[in-house]
Amino acid sequence: DGGITQSPKYLFRKEGQNVTLSCEQNLNHDAMYWYRQDPGQGLRLIYYSQIVNDFQKGDIAEGYSVSREKKESFPLTVTSAQKNPTAFYLCASSIQGAETQYFGPGTRLLVL
Amino acid sequence: GIQVEQSPPDLILQEGANSTLRCNFSDSVNNLQWFHQNPWGQLINLFYIPSGTKQNGRLSATTVATERYSLLYISSSQTTDSGVYFCAGLNQAGTALIFGKGTTLSVSS
Repeated sequence: DGGITQSPKYLFRKEGQNVTLSCEQNLNHDAMYWYRQDPGQGLRLIYYSQIVNDFQKGDIAEGYSVSREKKESFPLTVTSAQKNPTAFYLCASSIQGAETQYFGPGTRLLVL
Repeated sequence: GIQVEQSPPDLILQEGANSTLRCNFSDSVNNLQWFHQNPWGQLINLFYIPSGTKQNGRLSATTVATERYSLLYISSSQTTDSGVYFCAGLNQAGTALIFGKGTTLSVSS
């Protein structure tokens, strides 16, 4: 089946620890995105990538890092510099630009 | 200022009722889209509607781009319609979506 997968579904982070969230798509989409969602809020853009080996900061990139070594994969690392990482993280992809984006099931990150 | 604003923030309906959700968007946002987020967090595209009207079953959407608003109509609501409805528009650079804060819909039987 074609689609976007994210793993893990739930992730627990200890203080000072870096954690990496996985996002994979087999839709042959060029562009991929990471969003953060806090309770009662809309989605806010963390990073996006329109092509392999290139990515751009979104509105709330501080404390996060990404890589785009393959078209299918766009992992997000939540670093220890992110002081309030507890949130729901959603990955998306699109064919061109951001006209219509398709979303993965999300990862819930909790701080221990 | 606020680029994408949704109303109402919360909506409670009895099954079978109709509803209208509104999205106002600023000049810096275009190419409106509507999404539904189910209680498990999955976000589903409903409509890509930069202008005009589209219908899909019990749902329809209208965007009046010149007046910077879009409406999502839900008719004969069902419990499975519950969740959060987001509208989002493309930023001026055309690189990312700007989301509103959503309307939380609860439909009871």
